[in-house]
Amino acid sequence: DVVLTQTPPTLSATIGQSVSISCRSSQSLLHSNGNTYLHWLLQRPGQSPQLLIYLVSRLESGVPNRFSGSGSGTDFTLKISGVEAEDLGVYYCVQGTHAPYTFGAGTKLELK
Amino acid sequence: EVQLVESGGGLVQPGRSMKLSCAASGFTFSNYGMAWVRQAPTKGLEWVATISYDGSSTYYRDSVKGRFTISRDNAKSTLYLQMNSLRSEDTATYYCTRGGRAFAYWGQGTLVTVSS
Repeated sequence: DVVLTQTPPTLSATIGQSVSISCRSSQSLLHSNGNTYLHWLLQRPGQSPQLLIYLVSRLESGVPNRFSGSGSGTDFTLKISGVEAEDLGVYYCVQGTHAPYTFGAGTKLELK
Repeated sequence: EVQLVESGGGLVQPGRSMKLSCAASGFTFSNYGMAWVRQAPTKGLEWVATISYDGSSTYYRDSVKGRFTISRDNAKSTLYLQMNSLRSEDTATYYCTRGGRAFAYWGQGTLVTVSS
């Protein structure tokens, strides 16, 4: 199974600070069809997860553009340019390239 | 507006069965693969199963293979998860999500508790 290693596990930030979360895969997530099925989700406390970024860097409709994704192969990053209070929660990367599809363990974003 | 509404969860004894449903609306259900993802209490997310848009292909994680069956009724815009031989480790909130590998939209989840 593909292992996704997210770092850091916890992130403390102030409002307005820019932060990054890393997601490293145990194998390349480039699919034979040319897509890289690496996505980023946010789960706010007590809520269902929501998609932020899909296919590495594409911003889901309605998601603020302070969120951005980058990377390729096995190394991916989610960046938040100017944290806002509503961004607090647990961020997960997920891969849909190789079954069984797998999630990272999560990064909890807290207010400092 | 895309809506996914799960139902069918509750308390069940080990070894028994339970069937979850996910009613979809706000999009053309028959155009999309669908998936079930679960989350044990205070834990992370775990993919359970995926089904193709027409139901012809299904995929499962090893720990549920042979016990769980994912299916769909495109005429009713409904996704199902039949869970047999339930174990305590299946205790989780079960979410349906749109896109077999995209996880684009999520329901509110339904809690399944396996306990005697």
